[in-house]
Amino acid sequence: GAGVSQTPSNKVTEKGKYVELRCDPISGHTALYWYRQSLGQGPEFLIYFQGTGAADDSGLPNDRFFAVRPEGSVSTLKIQRTERGDSAVYLCASSLGGAGETQYFGPGTRLLVL
Amino acid sequence: AQSVTQLDSQVPVFEEAPVELRCNYSSSVSVYLFWYVQYPNQGLQLLLKYLSGSTLVKGINGFEAEFNKSQTSFHVRKPSVHISDTAEYFCAVTSGSNDYKLSFGAGTTVTVRA
Repeated sequence: GAGVSQTPSNKVTEKGKYVELRCDPISGHTALYWYRQSLGQGPEFLIYFQGTGAADDSGLPNDRFFAVRPEGSVSTLKIQRTERGDSAVYLCASSLGGAGETQYFGPGTRLLVL
Repeated sequence: AQSVTQLDSQVPVFEEAPVELRCNYSSSVSVYLFWYVQYPNQGLQLLLKYLSGSTLVKGINGFEAEFNKSQTSFHVRKPSVHISDTAEYFCAVTSGSNDYKLSFGAGTTVTVRA
């Protein structure tokens, strides 16, 4: 079946602009995660949804970052007033939701802030 | 949050030779442990995982790992590598049944040479 998809695959923006990154999880997966991967590092957790609600947003770096999942499926990560330090690959993953369940990752969105 | 250390950032290895990738994590009462692999130009995919039970777990493509609680380690190995095993490998951990977010190590790049 279809895996996790993310759009756009690449996004170039200017410092100070607003961006939205979209994630389509695997159908039936109740849990959805956002991670950020900087060059030469492992992914870092940002936020986790169980259904429509954010169950854990402890990884969001500041209030410029926000994510929603209004219908419990597609999720959008929103970044306001982008900074050059926000440049990274943003990864989305989904799972069946239980502890220890495998998280299936999308291909990522590569964000470059000029 | 858990801390994960991958002891080798780069591992060059000849084809048909064995390889071991080392991973240590900060101690906790209980943990779930994962290895993910990222092939060139592809997304992260699960290599293997340990939740409970036998400390020796088998994964895809001939990889296996051993959970060692006393040494807080989860090293993965393969007895004979192929060129196609060239990839980046990430160790990740969650703090058991109440924690869903993955904490990743920085990754180990394996380069298999003929």
